[in-house]
Amino acid sequence: GQQVQQSPASLVLQEGENAELQCNFSSTATRLQWFYQHPGGRLVSLFYNPSGTKHTGRLTSTTVTNERRSSLHISSSQTTDSGTYFCAIDQNQGGSAKLIFGEGTKLTVSS
Amino acid sequence: NAGVIQTPRHKVTGKGQEATLWCEPISGHSAVFWYRQTIVQGLEFLTYFRNQAPIDDSGMPKERFSAQMPNQSHSTLKIQSTQPQDSAVYLCASSLDRNYAEQFFGPGTRLTVL
Repeated sequence: GQQVQQSPASLVLQEGENAELQCNFSSTATRLQWFYQHPGGRLVSLFYNPSGTKHTGRLTSTTVTNERRSSLHISSSQTTDSGTYFCAIDQNQGGSAKLIFGEGTKLTVSS
Repeated sequence: NAGVIQTPRHKVTGKGQEATLWCEPISGHSAVFWYRQTIVQGLEFLTYFRNQAPIDDSGMPKERFSAQMPNQSHSTLKIQSTQPQDSAVYLCASSLDRNYAEQFFGPGTRLTVL
């Protein structure tokens, strides 16, 4: 089945630094989402991006479908960006829309 | 738009008791998903419905767990004879009923089985 690997597992930054989070997956995906979760909070969808590049604010997601990888770039990080970022991809089998999640990247931004 | 609503937010049960978790999807969304999150296993898919019909329950434990969607405005996840290993945050998500639709998550129900 589909496997999703995220790197790094954790990342510590000083405020203002940029972050690059990686997501690699084992099989072709037709659905890919990036989520953010503050400790104890809900999963917030950042991007639905199965291919190409999308921007919102300081965030950029780039997915290269045929290379089975996606990245999330955070520019000029802020302390409020601290939390865990998850990549999730569909199984791409039988038409199921279920998402398979990576283990997440825990980001800590200090002032 | 209130987003996906889940109740209760926290539930504590004794071992062997039943727990019923509720989810109200975003209005107009006809696909509803259940996941659970634990420190050890991470985020795992349980089951999902489209237009109230069960589509994929491949993640559901074969015993004690069941899910229903009696109408388009709510879904329930029932766990019978709860065990300590069932302790987790149970998440509900919804999406539009079309291919490649973005999923939106509720705040989750934290279930603690003593």
